[in-house]
Amino acid sequence: QVQLVQSGAEVKKPGASVKVSCKASGYTLTSLYMHWVRQAPGQGLEWMGIINPSDGSTNYAPKFRGRVTMTRDTSTSTVYMELNSLTFEDTAVFYCARDSEGCVDVWGNGTTVTVSS
Amino acid sequence: DVVLTQSPLSLPVTLGQPASISCKSSRSLVHSDGRIYLNWFQQRPGQSPRRLIYKVSNRDSGVPDRFSGSGSGTDFTLKISRVEAEDVGVYYCMQGTQWLPRTFGQGTKLEIK
Repeated sequence: QVQLVQSGAEVKKPGASVKVSCKASGYTLTSLYMHWVRQAPGQGLEWMGIINPSDGSTNYAPKFRGRVTMTRDTSTSTVYMELNSLTFEDTAVFYCARDSEGCVDVWGNGTTVTVSS
Repeated sequence: DVVLTQSPLSLPVTLGQPASISCKSSRSLVHSDGRIYLNWFQQRPGQSPRRLIYKVSNRDSGVPDRFSGSGSGTDFTLKISRVEAEDVGVYYCMQGTQWLPRTFGQGTKLEIK
């Protein structure tokens, strides 16, 4: 079955960077786009951006542009999301989510990032 | 950007009673291909979101038939015919008609009275 397994929780200091991975199984990574979504504690879902694993092209939400980089490694069926210049407001759960025919369908298990001094 | 406005934001429901959540879009979600890319997700406490409904009214595999979606244009509704304890959580609508950026509704928290 289709699964998206994300890397474990991270604790970072303000100003640092974090890189979260999302390993896909049960389908061909390069056949479908992948989104990244942020969820701050007690808050809703916020779309961060999208990557086309086939060619590595990306599109980021204006709020994160300049601070986020999404990449992929097709040899390991893994996509990555790196967020730089972390602030306390970046404390959140980050999800990868697959796009199928214009609709998000499968979600990863989430990665908690805590920004703390 | 397409803005999705959900109501209510909080929904206390008695077990066995129906529930209804509205999602209104700031513009028509009818794509140039004629389809409507409006989806509904359930997020139980401490879990990742799970898709329930795609393209307005198509139920995902394994989703109980007490969940249904309807709507057209700018107004959409998720209905639960008889609420069960396992339905507690937050429900989100999300659009994919405007390819980018994707947008979510604010979420509706369903709780048992």
